[in-house]
Amino acid sequence: EGQLVESGGGLVQPGGSLRLSCVDSGLTFRNYWMSWVRQAPGKGLEWVANIKEDGSQKYYVDSVTGRFTISRDNTKNSLYLQMNSLRAEDTAVYYCARYQLAFDYWGQGTLVTVSS
Amino acid sequence: QSALTQPPAASGSPGQSVTISCTGSSSDVGGYNLVSWYQHHPGKAPKLIIFEVTKRPSGVPDRFSGSKSGNTASLTVSGLQADDEADYYCCSCTGSHNHVVFGGGTRLTVL
Repeated sequence: EGQLVESGGGLVQPGGSLRLSCVDSGLTFRNYWMSWVRQAPGKGLEWVANIKEDGSQKYYVDSVTGRFTISRDNTKNSLYLQMNSLRAEDTAVYYCARYQLAFDYWGQGTLVTVSS
Repeated sequence: QSALTQPPAASGSPGQSVTISCTGSSSDVGGYNLVSWYQHHPGKAPKLIIFEVTKRPSGVPDRFSGSKSGNTASLTVSGLQADDEADYYCCSCTGSHNHVVFGGGTRLTVL
């Protein structure tokens, strides 16, 4: 199996945008649903979004619907999360994970801080 | 999409067993045999330890076991070891099947 590595986190002002990336070094990325899961400081895990193997179906938690977009490029073994209209409550470590009705492989996470 | 309910803390002495509950509704835990459990050591990636209520991934010791009754799932850790000290999260598919909800997490302390 490969390794999931996230990037793109950082400090952004409220109302700003950020794009997270996750690269899978394995050979089977295109065969699996993928997800983003986040953990705010001092809080628990929260599912953010899922995307089908071919990108044809996408699902979001209510709190990010209309602001975040999950996408993937199977030619680059890459998963993305475009985050717009960011709020302070979006501050969290964002993990990408492989989803097979359970999250069986996880990256190490990338920190997003929304603050002025 | 309300979070599943877990006790915030649990504890046990080395060698003992501890059970962590996860309560949802008929729209999530009770409606699907798709409950999973994760062990999370702070600063590390979460690790899948139970999927589909009772199944263990390869490499997870049989000291970890899962069960479900109605709208409540449970994780039992037997023969507690120091390295079991971590946060544990339950998770379930929800009404739309392609949405997911986590529990609030339980911090397990090995005394």
